[in-house]
Parts: sequence; C-alpha cells; structure tokens
Amino acid sequence: GQNIDQPTEMTATEGAIVQINCTYQTSGFNGLFWYQQHAGEAPTFLSYNVLDGLEEKGRFSSFLSRSKGYSYLLLKELQMKDSASYLCAVRDRGSDKLIFGTGTRLQVFP
Amino acid sequence: KAGVTQTPRYLIKTRGQQVTLSCSPISGHRSVSWYQQTPGQGLQFLFEYFSETQRNKGNFPGRFSGRQFSNSRSEMNVSTLELGDSALYLCASSLQGKGEKLFFGSGTQLSVL
Repeated sequence: GQNIDQPTEMTATEGAIVQINCTYQTSGFNGLFWYQQHAGEAPTFLSYNVLDGLEEKGRFSSFLSRSKGYSYLLLKELQMKDSASYLCAVRDRGSDKLIFGTGTRLQVFP
Repeated sequence: KAGVTQTPRYLIKTRGQQVTLSCSPISGHRSVSWYQQTPGQGLQFLFEYFSETQRNKGNFPGRFSGRQFSNSRSEMNVSTLELGDSALYLCASSLQGKGEKLFFGSGTQLSVL
C-alpha cells in the first residue's frame, strides 16, 4: 500500500525560508510531485523529482531521497501570495496512480 | 490554450439523488483523472480514463462511475448520494497519463443535504 505524511499546517514570515517535508511509503516508486493549491482554486504543478537530489526552480526547490522515502519543498524569500496548501504526491510504479498526501497549509504573515 | 474546464462549479443535492459532473480536458490531452478532495482526507483518486477506457480505479463504491467520450471529455456520475459525498471533485488531464504532470480544473464543489 501507500502512505504519505506531511505536516498539516505551517506558518512563516514574509521574506523568510520555509521547508515542507513529505515522507512516503510505497510498494513501487515512480516519481514525486509537488503541487500548490490556493483556497478555492485548482492545484498547480510546482516540481517533479524522480532521481535523488535537489531540483531548483526560482524561489522554489524540491529535494528527494529515495532510500529514505523523503522529500522536501523549500520556499525562499517568502511572499504573501505563497500562502496556500502544498500537496506532495507519489506515483506508484505498479498501478501508475498518483497518490496525494493530505497537504500542508502554509500561512505567510507580514 | 484553454485549461481544464469543469462544470458546474457548485452543486447542491439532497440525499438519494444522483449527480453528473463534467470535465473538458486541455486540447490534445487524452488522459483524464478524477479526484475527491475533502479537508480531512486530502485528494483521493477515483479513476482515470484514457481513450474512452477506464485504465485505473480507486477504492470507491460502485455508486461512483465515469466515462470518457471520443473527444476526451469526461463525465463522472454519483448515484444515491450520501452526506459523506460532499466534497470538491477535481478533474485533471495529461497527454498520456503515464508519469506526467497533471493539469487540474478548478473543481466542482458538491454539497449533499
């Protein structure tokens, strides 16, 4: 089966750095995605990791360690508009399904 | 290029009724997936369609069904609605559905009274 864990809520200050962790257990791993979802809106793609290491894209970076079943999303120079839910999702190799965690709600304060 | 379009945006039904939700994928995308999103459970996978065939199915009762048309548009049906079916239903599309990123619609917010 699959199990994905991420913190329910986090808070941070504008201009700061925040790291959102995601741990997973899956019978077969075939990639990990991070999505951002603002309240009342569609989730939008942020990053994809299939190999170990860090993927950097502007203010956002995502890290993956397959041996530890662990990923994190790093957000730098936080802005108010970064207040949103961040969803970690793992693609299961066997079923090819994308399995989502419950999401981390991030609140950025001035 | 237009994004994924879901209709209706909001829906209110009563227990026992049935409902049909619609999803138009991005032009050229042949894979459509459906998810149920609730505050406590997050996104739960319902099913995926590719070329009018159901390719994958989640752990939902048979009251939840779907189909895909030749133009890749998809519909999802829920029969005999229960209070617990109140949720945001999200549709996502991708080119082939194999290990690709998904493009989500804004969802249909279903309330069952």
